[in-house]
Amino acid sequence: ETGVTQTPRHLVMGMTNKKSLKCEQHLGHNAMYWYKQSAKKPLELMFVYNFKEQTENNSVPSRFSPECPNSSHLFLHLHTLQPEDSALYLCASSQDTSGRDTGELFFGEGSRLTVL
Amino acid sequence: GEDVEQSLFLSVREGDSSVINCTYTDSSSTYLYWYKQEPGAGLQLLTYIFSNMDMKQDQRLTVLLNKKDKHLSLRIADTQTGDSAIYFCAETYSGGYQKVTFGTGTKLQVIP
Repeated sequence: ETGVTQTPRHLVMGMTNKKSLKCEQHLGHNAMYWYKQSAKKPLELMFVYNFKEQTENNSVPSRFSPECPNSSHLFLHLHTLQPEDSALYLCASSQDTSGRDTGELFFGEGSRLTVL
Repeated sequence: GEDVEQSLFLSVREGDSSVINCTYTDSSSTYLYWYKQEPGAGLQLLTYIFSNMDMKQDQRLTVLLNKKDKHLSLRIADTQTGDSAIYFCAETYSGGYQKVTFGTGTKLQVIP
């Protein structure tokens, strides 16, 4: 496999459920990201991990819990979500966050989350 | 914080040129990008421009950067139906820690 893969592609959950989104990158990158895409809003950065260390938490509610066990895998654990959390959650990777390259991000296809 | 603004929607006829505009607030931007998102897919880098450049051309794509007005545009010549997608403007400041800020995306509809 190549690129960035996300599972599941679609997820429907109730507000009391606990679920997880998974992201895996096969590009040898050291930085991984979670973005939230909602209609008519800017793409919103949620978390950044660089060499497995969290370097950015963009004031994300604690009902979203990221985990980065190694540079190739990133998870987003979800619990007691609200209907307004329904969105497309995009995972991305880049070489690292040093700024020494062009900063190109490589995105997965996203996980479409619906909270009932 | 940094902001990137773009219009939400643009409709053009097949064969015409499309111009998608973007404004940003961070005067320290190092790279400015255009990403393309096709239906059901993630974002993919289309082109980028370094902040010391005014223009970059790549086949049907022309990027113009006006640093004074903090304005970035993407022109697509001879727009095709396959160009229908959402186009995101983004910028980053590479000052030791790189973080990319995106706009809302402009949905381009190409009418046959």
